[in-house]
Amino acid sequence: AQSVTQLDSQVPVFEEAPVELRCNYSSSVSVYLFWYVQYPNQGLQLLLKYLSGSTLVKGINGFEAEFNKSQTSFHLRKPSVHISDTAEYFCAVSDPAFSGGYNKLIFGAGTRLAVHP
Amino acid sequence: GAGVSQSPSNKVTEKGKDVELRCDPISGHTALYWYRQSLGQGLEFLIYFQGNSAPDKSGLPSDRFSAERTGGSVSTLTIQRTQQEDSAVYLCASSPAQGIETQYFGPGTRLLVL
Repeated sequence: AQSVTQLDSQVPVFEEAPVELRCNYSSSVSVYLFWYVQYPNQGLQLLLKYLSGSTLVKGINGFEAEFNKSQTSFHLRKPSVHISDTAEYFCAVSDPAFSGGYNKLIFGAGTRLAVHP
Repeated sequence: GAGVSQSPSNKVTEKGKDVELRCDPISGHTALYWYRQSLGQGLEFLIYFQGNSAPDKSGLPSDRFSAERTGGSVSTLTIQRTQQEDSAVYLCASSPAQGIETQYFGPGTRLLVL
């Protein structure tokens, strides 16, 4: 079964500094990868997804992530963060070939990003 | 357009009572998912619907949990004889079809069992 590890439970950072949120997944032949953001008392919003093709994926709000198959990683990055980026970030994986053709998401434990002025 | 809506937004109940949680997916979305977000377990998959059928119920934690979907639209998650460990945020998501389509999440129902 698939699993996802988010290596940092909390990441504090100053405004306008760069940030990287780390995500590793268990290996599979074909896997789809996602990053979601959850603002306080809200549902999950998709930031970006990797399905195939270019390993560098750009998402909303200036975020990007790089798929690294050899290291089974999908780290999320932003070159300059804002106060408004303070939220919880979840990495997720799905393996439709394993789950019967649908997009069952397996989530990591989440990383709380705290941006300080 | 309207997103996924869930009701109630908050529910407090006593141990042993039954609760019903409702999800209204985006119109036209055939795939519907329920997830649970709790402090101890993180975000975990509960059940998947394609149309009115549920080909995957593997995430339901016990037989006290059940879900149905009618008319290919609204879904109800029912928890019977609630326990304190059922306290969590229950999230619903929908997508246009099965496969790799993006899932759109609702705001969740926060359930507290006293």
